[in-house]
Amino acid sequence: RKEVEQDPGPFNVPEGATVAFNCTYSNSASQSFFWYRQDCRKEPKLLMSVYSSGNEDGRFTAQLNRASQYISLLIRDSKLSDSATYLCVVRYSSASKIIFGSGTRLSIRP
Amino acid sequence: NAGVTQTPKFQVLKTGQSMTLQCAQDMNHEYMSWYRQDPGMGLRLIHYSVGAGITDQGEVPNGYNVSRSTTEDFPLRLLSAAPSQTSVYFCASLGGRDRNEQFFGPGTRLTVL
Repeated sequence: RKEVEQDPGPFNVPEGATVAFNCTYSNSASQSFFWYRQDCRKEPKLLMSVYSSGNEDGRFTAQLNRASQYISLLIRDSKLSDSATYLCVVRYSSASKIIFGSGTRLSIRP
Repeated sequence: NAGVTQTPKFQVLKTGQSMTLQCAQDMNHEYMSWYRQDPGMGLRLIHYSVGAGITDQGEVPNGYNVSRSTTEDFPLRLLSAAPSQTSVYFCASLGGRDRNEQFFGPGTRLTVL
């Protein structure tokens, strides 16, 4: 079983829709959580960190559920420019490895 | 700042050849890592380093060596290339305000024939 698992998608939704992705992690000792965005044939870039109390950045909301060991990303009022692959990332501690999920592909149609 | 740089951008090797992928960063980041990305597999961690002189294995270390003699450089060596190592390789360094953001290089696209 992979340490970090994501639904690969693709999610194909109309512009303006709300879409949500989940990501599960297997190691309960995981400490830090992130969502990265990767455009086609480009390097990944940090979208947002995920905090225990949940956090919002504009149209994006991230949630962490430690009891069930999953994190989620909600995108409201989706734009064409949101089309990308979204990668869930988990870090165990400040001196340890950083593990990526396999990514969820999102396609926004006009 | 140039950020994280990788060379070469593209490389074709024959089975059995060896080569080194170069990675450098000018942000004075202690933590650096190498990933490979294959279709449908996301990024898989090969090796990482928490500082000069310290390296450790990631998820898929076999067939690769790393060293970290300076803070700036973190080269990845393929000892004897195999077709299974055909992939896109990304190097990253960790920094940002909370030292929790990975900055990636543009990637090296490697084909092993």
